[in-house]
Amino acid sequence: EAQVTQNPRYLITVTGKKLTVTCSQNMNHEYMSWYRQDPGLGLRQIYYSMNVEVTDKGDVPEGYKVSRKEKRNFPLILESPSPNQTSLYFCASSSPGQGASEQYFGPGTRLTVT
Amino acid sequence: AQKITQTQPGMFVQEKEAVTLDCTYDTSDPSYGLFWYKQPSSGEMIFLIYQGSYDQQNATEGRYSLNFQKARKSANLVISASQLGDSAMYFCAMREGLGSGGYNKLIFGAGTRLAVHP
Repeated sequence: EAQVTQNPRYLITVTGKKLTVTCSQNMNHEYMSWYRQDPGLGLRQIYYSMNVEVTDKGDVPEGYKVSRKEKRNFPLILESPSPNQTSLYFCASSSPGQGASEQYFGPGTRLTVT
Repeated sequence: AQKITQTQPGMFVQEKEAVTLDCTYDTSDPSYGLFWYKQPSSGEMIFLIYQGSYDQQNATEGRYSLNFQKARKSANLVISASQLGDSAMYFCAMREGLGSGGYNKLIFGAGTRLAVHP
């Protein structure tokens, strides 16, 4: 089954404690992204990757890091989480191309930073 | 400036009736795509329908149709014969620069929460 998986699904942590949210896709997609969802703001892109070892900042990259060492994996790293990073996070993947190259979303990770 | 505007934070509709969720967008790019996603209370993002800027006809997918008015820059989602399971948050999104060869991110609106009443 084609899917994007994220782990963990729920996480409560404290300020400053480094954490990693994993993302993996089994569709051999080149493109992967991280978004955060906040009430009243919709989803905003954090980082994206066009292929292995190719990453770039999205609209809200501050406080986050990513890496793309393998095509299927795109972890999101919070080196020193702060309460304003409490949010719902989505990983997404897609193939390059025009038109309805829809993004496949993972199930989401709900992060709370206290 | 907001690129995607959804002016209805919340809507309700009676079961079996049709409902229109509004979306306006702003872009100077002639080549773009418009998407609608559904997010039920469980949180996952479900792709519903897509409209390309050059598509001549309005997109339809089952009970979903997209009322695309290019000159007005609007891409409203119409759900016919609403069902209780349609209660969810709905997001309009845009992808610019189709075919430019680079990565085209999705730009989302703030969403509209739809409640279907029996």
